[in-house]
Amino acid sequence: DAGVIQSPRHEVTEMGQEVTLRCKPISGHDYLFWYRQTMMQGLELLVYFNNKAVMDDSGMPKDRFSAKMPNASFSTLKIQPSEPRDSAVYFCASSYSIDNSPLHFGNGTRLTVT
Amino acid sequence: GNSVTQMEGPVTLSEEAFLTINCTYTATGYPSLFWYVQYPGEGLQLLLKATKADDKGSNKGFEATYRKETTSFHLEKGSVQVSDSAVYFCALRVGNRDDKIIFGKGTRLHILP
Repeated sequence: DAGVIQSPRHEVTEMGQEVTLRCKPISGHDYLFWYRQTMMQGLELLVYFNNKAVMDDSGMPKDRFSAKMPNASFSTLKIQPSEPRDSAVYFCASSYSIDNSPLHFGNGTRLTVT
Repeated sequence: GNSVTQMEGPVTLSEEAFLTINCTYTATGYPSLFWYVQYPGEGLQLLLKATKADDKGSNKGFEATYRKETTSFHLEKGSVQVSDSAVYFCALRVGNRDDKIIFGKGTRLHILP
C-alpha cells in the first residue's frame, strides 16, 4: 500500500496565478479530506468527500477555492487566483467509512505564494 | 458542537522523563478518540485510538485511556526519547451524519538529550 499520495510536494507561485494540488487516496477508502495547516490557524478542514460527493465545504473560501473528485482515486484542490495568505501546507487524507476509522494523511504540499 | 481542547505547547522535557499531554473533549453522541503525531516535514500519523469508554489505546510506549466521566483522553509515556520530538494532536470522530474528524490545535514536544 503506497499510502496517500500528494503532488507536488512544493509549489512556489506568484500572486494571481492558478494553483492545482493533487491527491490520490488509498484504494478502497471512501472518504477524502483536504486540510490546510498554518502556524497561526493550526489544522483547518477545507472540504471533505464521501463516495466522490462533497459532504461539507464550509471551511473553504469558495470565491477562489474549488475541490473536485472526478473518480474514486483522484482529487484536486484548485486556487484561482492565489494570494499570499494562501501560503500553507495542504494535506489530503483518506479513510474508510465513519466511526472509528482513522485518517491516513499524505505528506502534504507546501505552497508559497509571493 | 463537538470540540477538542489540548494543552498548549511547547512542552520541553529531558530524555527519560515522564510525559503527559492533556486532552479533553466535548461531543454529542459517542465519539472515537485518537492521538496523531506529526514529525517535521510529514503528514499526521495515527499513534493510537480508543473507541469506547475505559478502552486504553497504546503504541510505541504511549498510552491513553478513554475516560467518559471526565471527558478526557490524556496521552502518557513513561520514558521519552529524543526521537519522540514532534507535534501531537488529539482528535475525535463521532460518526452519524457529522462524520468529519475534529482535531485539537496540537502540542509541540521537544525532548532534550
